Amino acid sequence: DIQMTQSPSSLSASVGDRVTITCRASQSISSYLNWYQQKPGKAPKLLIYAASSLQSGVPSRFSGSGSGTDFTLTISSLQPEDFATYYCQQSYRTLHTFGPGTKLEIK
Amino acid sequence: EVQLVESGGGLVQPGRSLRLSCAASGFTFDDYAMHWVRQAPGKGLEWVSGISWNSGNIVYADSVKGRFTISRDNAKNSLYLQMNSLRAEDTALYYCVREGTITAERPFDYWGQGTLVTVSS
Repeated sequence: DIQMTQSPSSLSASVGDRVTITCRASQSISSYLNWYQQKPGKAPKLLIYAASSLQSGVPSRFSGSGSGTDFTLTISSLQPEDFATYYCQQSYRTLHTFGPGTKLEIK
Repeated sequence: EVQLVESGGGLVQPGRSLRLSCAASGFTFDDYAMHWVRQAPGKGLEWVSGISWNSGNIVYADSVKGRFTISRDNAKNSLYLQMNSLRAEDTALYYCVREGTITAERPFDYWGQGTLVTVSS
């Protein structure tokens, strides 16, 4: 199975900050990497698919990059509604796996 | 509007069975593969199982293989998860999820609100 890791596991930041979250796969997954945002008590929401494509309706301050084994999610200027937990997911293998999550908290 | 509504969760004793259902609407159900993803209380997301549009390809996480069975009824626009030999570690919120077709990367583009399964004596 493909293992996914994320760093950091948690992050404190302020409104207006630029934030980057990293995701790493245990083997090459090309661009088969998706990012999700989850707020407390809510279902996850797709943000970025295919490593760098923005899902419809997602603000342009979110961006993704990477290929192979190393990927990043960047929020260019944090807004109050962005404080949530972020998960990466590989869809390269039919046995999908998620990263452990990065909790983004208000400083 | 795409809607996925799960049902069937509840409190069940270890070793017993439970069947989850997911009612889909707002899209052509048999055009899409579907999945179950779970989240234990306070923990991260765990993919559980997936099924292709025609049930021809079915996959399971190692943690549930041999105990859980995924199925679908395209005539009823419904997805199911039969869970047998339940364990305390199966306690989680179970999400019904649609696999998108916009790209080959097949992201999970729509999620239900989840149904809670609690395994406890």
